Amino acid sequence: KQEVTQIPAALSVPEGENLVLNCSFTDSAIYNLQWFRQDPGKGLTSLLLIQSSQREQTSGRLNASLDKSSGRSTLYIAASQPGDSATYLCAVKYSNYQLIWGAGTKLIIKP
Amino acid sequence: DTAVSQTPKYLVTQMGNDKSIKCEQNLGHDTMYWYKQDSKKFLKIMFSYNNKELIINETVPNRFSPKSPDKAHLNLHINSLELGDSAVYFCASSQLQGADGYTFGSGTRLTVV
Repeated sequence: KQEVTQIPAALSVPEGENLVLNCSFTDSAIYNLQWFRQDPGKGLTSLLLIQSSQREQTSGRLNASLDKSSGRSTLYIAASQPGDSATYLCAVKYSNYQLIWGAGTKLIIKP
Repeated sequence: DTAVSQTPKYLVTQMGNDKSIKCEQNLGHDTMYWYKQDSKKFLKIMFSYNNKELIINETVPNRFSPKSPDKAHLNLHINSLELGDSAVYFCASSQLQGADGYTFGSGTRLTVV
């Protein structure tokens, strides 16, 4: 069964710290993996999309890596800011018809 | 702006009523989706249409009926609303084949009272 797990479920760190969010998946035959953020009461914003042939993608202070062989992706956030507080979701596309979601990591950055 | 837009943003209605949520995308994507996010924040796929054809139909009560008049629109009609239907409903779009990711609308918060 294809499953996506995100650890930790919640994380609270002081402003300015670098941090890593984890996403693991059970089946390595993926098309791509997408990281989203969701602010309370808001929609989902796409952060980074990594294709199965790629190892990492970067956007500003965000860097996402992909290791298919170990079934893992990490989202690295550098120099965290209070505005980074949100729930971060990982979604793995296995085929044209299957997008499997993690349960999310709720991140709180303390000023 | 290129986006997925859904209306209304908020919907409060009484049990037993029938309501619709509309979704439109101008991204040129060929596939659209409806997701339900419950109180525990878990996202569950409900339906997906590719070029107006239903391709995903998860175990959803038949009170929920999607309609896709064209590939840029996917509406969700709900009959005989129940308390348990209260949730946030998200519309999304993507290209079925290819490397693109998903783009989501901002959600419709449905409250059934």
